[in-house]
Amino acid sequence: QSVVTQPPSASGTPGQRVTISCSGSISNIGSNAVNWYQQLPGTAPTLLFYGDNQHPSGVPDRFSGSKSGTSASLAISGLQSEDEADYYCAAWDDSLNGLVFGGGTKLTVL
Amino acid sequence: VELVESGGGPVQPGGSLRLSCTASGFTFNNYAMSWVRHAPGKGLEWVSAISGSRGNTYYADSVKGRFTLSRDNLKNTLYLQMHSLRAADTAVYYCARGIRSCGTDCYPHVGIDYWGQGTLVTVSS
Repeated sequence: QSVVTQPPSASGTPGQRVTISCSGSISNIGSNAVNWYQQLPGTAPTLLFYGDNQHPSGVPDRFSGSKSGTSASLAISGLQSEDEADYYCAAWDDSLNGLVFGGGTKLTVL
Repeated sequence: VELVESGGGPVQPGGSLRLSCTASGFTFNNYAMSWVRHAPGKGLEWVSAISGSRGNTYYADSVKGRFTLSRDNLKNTLYLQMHSLRAADTAVYYCARGIRSCGTDCYPHVGIDYWGQGTLVTVSS
């Protein structure tokens, strides 16, 4: 069981706004940057967000990230069918001295 | 940025395997590197990381004492030596570059930005 918790699933209809939460502790999210990854079926993960709320070039503005205390969230607005994927949050954990991933959230576009 | 893994394959329980990751498109010793694995039906699990130049290593508890991470900055290559393999180690293993965070060395604490395509390790009798 991961020390960082995400809901196992989320869903929405095209055009809708969906939020995925990521809950940790002071030793990980509370102290270090949170990154978000998208993993499309059968492919390697790609970076969606880093440093809590910064996104690499090429990532649509429909994706946004935020952090407050020991929790973070990823918001996807204007949901599209191509957004159907697994989403993971991650942060360094100072107690474990390693990177911890959330359990992942499978997003379904209805 | 390109990361190409190799060395995966089938192995019996208790056996050993060495994974390699050849990097290109960036200055290798300016970045920490990690391995992350994805077991069938499960989420991503960080395995190990190594700093950019001094080679400080970090391991998940699940592999500590069995896996050894190293790098050759002249060859732009990362290695993961795996011993005493178990069925639970079966996964796709991804080589990943750390987000650049450097002081006296480049550390893995900020996370990962680029991933390779992965190599499958299957531990089974």
